[in-house]
Amino acid sequence: EAQVTQNPRYLITVTGKKLTVTCSQNMNHEYMSWYRQDPGLGLRQIYYSMNVEVTDKGDVPEGYKVSRKEKRNFPLILESPSPNQTSLYFCASIRGSEAFFGQGTRLTVV
Amino acid sequence: AQKVTQAQTEISVVEKEDVTLDCVYETRDTTYYLFWYKQPPSGELVFLIRRNSFDEQNEISGRYSWNFQKSTSSFNFTITASQVVDSAVYFCALNGYSTLTFGKGTMLLVSP
Repeated sequence: EAQVTQNPRYLITVTGKKLTVTCSQNMNHEYMSWYRQDPGLGLRQIYYSMNVEVTDKGDVPEGYKVSRKEKRNFPLILESPSPNQTSLYFCASIRGSEAFFGQGTRLTVV
Repeated sequence: AQKVTQAQTEISVVEKEDVTLDCVYETRDTTYYLFWYKQPPSGELVFLIRRNSFDEQNEISGRYSWNFQKSTSSFNFTITASQVVDSAVYFCALNGYSTLTFGKGTMLLVSP
């Protein structure tokens, strides 16, 4: 079954404490992407990756890092989270007409 | 750059009314895919439909129908005889050669 697995689903953390949200796909897709969703702003792209070791900034990359060491995994790293990064995050794995999403991560930074 | 516009921020209807959610897009790609997703209060994104740029045939699935018009760059979504369970945020999205771009979403509230 085609799947994007994103963890954790919910996370409350404190300002400045590094965290990683994991994302894994089983479809051998080359293209993966991270989005954040905020009220009234829709889903905005943070970073994307066209293939292993190839990543690029999306529309709102500040405060985030990503890595793509292997095709299936695309973790999102917040080195020093701040309250303005409180949001709902989605990982996506995409190829042409196929777009699969993780279940979402609700992150609260206090 | 590609762009998706959902001009309706919020729509409120009474159950059994028909409702149309608008989606207008911009892209320079000749091949692209359009999507609609539903996001219920639980937060996950539920896939509803995808269309490629070469297939302008309208589609009906139960109470849902989609009207794709390339001439006006629109991909509108109609719910017939709306139900309370249709209450959600609906997103239109476009995937060209570069990236998957979303509209800002339309919140649909269906009251009994």
